[in-house]
Amino acid sequence: DAGITQSPRHKVTETGTPVTLRCHQTENHRYMYWYRQDPGHGLRLIHYSYGVKDTDKGEVSDGYSVSRSKTEDFLLTLESATSSQTSVYFCAISDVGAEETQYFGPGTRLLVL
Amino acid sequence: GQQVMQIPQYQHVQEGEDFTTYCNSSTTLSNIQWYKQRPGGHPVFLIQLVKSGEVKKQKRLTFQFGEAKKNSSLHITATQTTDVGTYFCAGPHQGAQKLVFGQGTRLTINP
Repeated sequence: DAGITQSPRHKVTETGTPVTLRCHQTENHRYMYWYRQDPGHGLRLIHYSYGVKDTDKGEVSDGYSVSRSKTEDFLLTLESATSSQTSVYFCAISDVGAEETQYFGPGTRLLVL
Repeated sequence: GQQVMQIPQYQHVQEGEDFTTYCNSSTTLSNIQWYKQRPGGHPVFLIQLVKSGEVKKQKRLTFQFGEAKKNSSLHITATQTTDVGTYFCAGPHQGAQKLVFGQGTRLTINP
């Protein structure tokens, strides 16, 4: 498996609180992605990054922000968590973008009460 | 917007039966990728197809890329309990370095 870690792996939080999830890679890959996975919806892209400080929105970006200040770290922040953001969040990395393999992290299970 | 549709959404088979999942894109794709996710796990890359009409095999798994590069299929011969999981296809989004994933086909197997 590629060197990708996500933290925390599990989190329970309350509605209205900010939450930050971290994705860390040791592969020096240029592209990093945040997905959420919910039953019946497959993998939906939240935000992605194509370099340090270069990010773009995915299909479900409302309520989320990201930052990438170093190649190895990509942070996903839920500004004010809502119950609809209860999900499993996956980070993925790629060296060449969409033309080659994406390697996924182990995921973070987030429960918003 | 660009879409990738995958059918069926669920498939339950008896061990030893064959299984096929189909993937259709609304646009022509430069390549198509297949991923497998075991229950409780994360998606893992299986294969990438690039050429029109390409067929690749991995043991009991056969992957095809359509002539028009808009559809693809994954066929598993004689399923085993280790094949349980969700299979996703994905294609590059036009104009951006991101993938568009199908909804996945969840395969369950009766031993």
